[in-house]
Amino acid sequence: NAGVMQNPRHLVRRRGQEARLRCSPMKGHSHVYWYRQLPEEGLKFMVYLQKENIIDESGMPKERFSAEFPKEGPSILRIQQVVRGDSAAYFCASAPGLNTEAFFGQGTRLTVV
Amino acid sequence: AQTVTQSQPEMSVQEAETVTLSCTYDTSESDYYLFWYKQPPSRQMILVIRQEAYKQQNATENRFSVNFQKAAKSFSLKISDSQLGDAAMYFCAYRSANSGTYKYIFGTGTRLKVLA
Repeated sequence: NAGVMQNPRHLVRRRGQEARLRCSPMKGHSHVYWYRQLPEEGLKFMVYLQKENIIDESGMPKERFSAEFPKEGPSILRIQQVVRGDSAAYFCASAPGLNTEAFFGQGTRLTVV
Repeated sequence: AQTVTQSQPEMSVQEAETVTLSCTYDTSESDYYLFWYKQPPSRQMILVIRQEAYKQQNATENRFSVNFQKAAKSFSLKISDSQLGDAAMYFCAYRSANSGTYKYIFGTGTRLKVLA
């Protein structure tokens, strides 16, 4: 059973471009969380999704950021018109159900130049 | 809102010695989980140990053990017989066990250096 797969591992974008980060959860997992880690900081919750539904987006910036978890395919975290402050490591975690332990991917490091 | 505090930005330990990393948290909930994660330079978040709040017995995993003091809201990690491979960032995390709030809340981390 492969772990949580995130791609790309590294992503470089120029200011104003769009960044799309992908997360394939573990097999059988229908719950996905996205976290952001700024340099020298802990992980901060962004959004929690179940298949086709956003359950909790209280940690997501109101503008430029969106997330989806379609019925088929990976979960996508999309950042439009990136700015330097978006540079961070973005982690995805998946879980098989409610109130179950989540497993983390290796993260995507986004660098905005 | 729940918070997790790690007051030691960096710690050092001699190889084969024992080190304790501190973590305190704040919550009004009675049912929750606590975790320690290790993050090496590869960035992978590796679960080291977990503790259910309703269990009084401290969790242990080989060389890793916790001192869970629920009344004091303290959750420290003890690493015995430290090895060079233990060098990493260590994050303490809290997760509610209540419906609808399953997100993890992380501390700011402690960087552990292991000296040969």
